[in-house]
Amino acid sequence: DTAVSQTPKYLVTQMGNDKSIKCEQNLGHDTMYWYKQDSKKFLKIMFSYNNKELIINETVPNRFSPKSPDKAHLNLHINSLELGDSAVYFCASSQDRGTGAQYFGPGTRLLVL
Amino acid sequence: AQTVTQSQPEMSVQEAETVTLSCTYDTSESDYYLFWYKQPPSRQMILVIRQEAYKQQNATENRFSVNFQKAAKSFSLKISDSQLGDAAMYFCAYRSGPRGANSKLTFGKGITLSVRP
Repeated sequence: DTAVSQTPKYLVTQMGNDKSIKCEQNLGHDTMYWYKQDSKKFLKIMFSYNNKELIINETVPNRFSPKSPDKAHLNLHINSLELGDSAVYFCASSQDRGTGAQYFGPGTRLLVL
Repeated sequence: AQTVTQSQPEMSVQEAETVTLSCTYDTSESDYYLFWYKQPPSRQMILVIRQEAYKQQNATENRFSVNFQKAAKSFSLKISDSQLGDAAMYFCAYRSGPRGANSKLTFGKGITLSVRP
């Protein structure tokens, strides 16, 4: 069974479009995260939710909006996609806010043309 | 703000030999966690090992072990009996401890490890 899953795994789209990436975890964790990995492989936090409450919101354009319908799901919606949004987006989860390792999904490779 | 530095962009090791990957970090906190993650070409991020800062004993997971030097803010990963499947990018990461409100991982730039048969 997949612990943290993301859909889709690949996403190719045109500039200006709106797209969503979905994430689900079946580990029973109460904290979920979105990270962005750029073309140089650098990983940076974007958002974090704990029990559906937003607890981390890094300096991210407001075109990016996370949504957590329940603690097992954290989706990422991106409006008006730009070339610079091309990256790999990882979802992760952990047991609670302050302790425990984070477990990652397989990543979604987004390519904006 | 915490920073994590991996100064070696690439390393190579002969199969069956031992290799050490370096990581240093900067923080003013006393309670935190450190991790090593592996990212093979499949791009999956795989947790290799974790270390709690309050524990003096170095963590070990099978062929993987760490050398945690809290005063020097150093956290190196040793891979023994290297295997071809160990070839990947390795990331060192920092996380604030339980009393910190910020649970995000701060990553180093990563190091690409190749294994020669």
